[in-house]
Amino acid sequence: DTGVSQDPRHKITKRGQNVTFRCDPISEHNRLYWYRQTLGQGPEFLTYFQNEAQLEKSRLLSDRFSAERPKGSFSTLEIQRTEQGDSAMYLCASSLDQGAAGNTIYFGEGSWLTVV
Amino acid sequence: GDSVTQMEGPVTLSEEAFLTINCTYTATGYPSLFWYVQYPGEGLQLLLKATKADDKGSNKGFEATYRKETTSFHLEKGSVQVSDSAVYFCALSDLGGKLIFGQGTTLQVKP
Repeated sequence: DTGVSQDPRHKITKRGQNVTFRCDPISEHNRLYWYRQTLGQGPEFLTYFQNEAQLEKSRLLSDRFSAERPKGSFSTLEIQRTEQGDSAMYLCASSLDQGAAGNTIYFGEGSWLTVV
Repeated sequence: GDSVTQMEGPVTLSEEAFLTINCTYTATGYPSLFWYVQYPGEGLQLLLKATKADDKGSNKGFEATYRKETTSFHLEKGSVQVSDSAVYFCALSDLGGKLIFGQGTTLQVKP
C-alpha cells in the first residue's frame, strides 16, 4: 500500500485557465476528502465522498470547483477559470469508515497550485 | 459550528526542553480528537488521537489527554529534539466524520 497519492504535485497556471488534480486513495478506503491549505493556515474542508456519492460540500467550494469520484476509487478536483485567490495546496485524504468513532484519516502530500 | 483553537506560534525551544502546545475545542457531542504534524513541503501525518473523554493518545514521545471538562487536548513532550521542528495541527472529527483543524502551531527546536 503506497498511501494516498496526488498528481500533479505542483502546478503553475495562468489566471483564467482550468486545472485538474487527481487523487488516488488508499485501496479499499471508502471515504475520500478534499481540503485546501494556504500558507500559515490549517487545512480547510472542501468536500468528501463516501464511495462514489458526494455527501458534503463546503461553502468554500464555489461553482468554479467541481469534484468527482466516478467509480468510488480515484477522485478529481477541477477548478475552472482560476483566480489568484485559488493559489493554495490542495490536500486529498482517505479513510475506511466502519461506523466507529475516530476513523483515522490519511493525507496525501498535496498538490500545490500557483495562479499567476 | 465546531471549531478548534490552538496557541499561536512560533514556539522556539532548546533541545531537550519540555513542550506544551495548547488546544481547545468547541463541538456538538463528543468528537474524536487528533494531533497531526506537517514537515516542510509535506502533507499531514497523524501523530496521535483519542476517541473518548480521559483517553490519552501517545506516539513518539508525544502525548495528549482528552479533557471533556475543559474541552482541551494539549500536546506535550518531555524532551524535544531538533527533528521535532514542524507545524502541529490539532483537529476534531465532527458528527459527519470530517476533520476540522486549528490554525497550526510552528515548533522550532534549536540545538
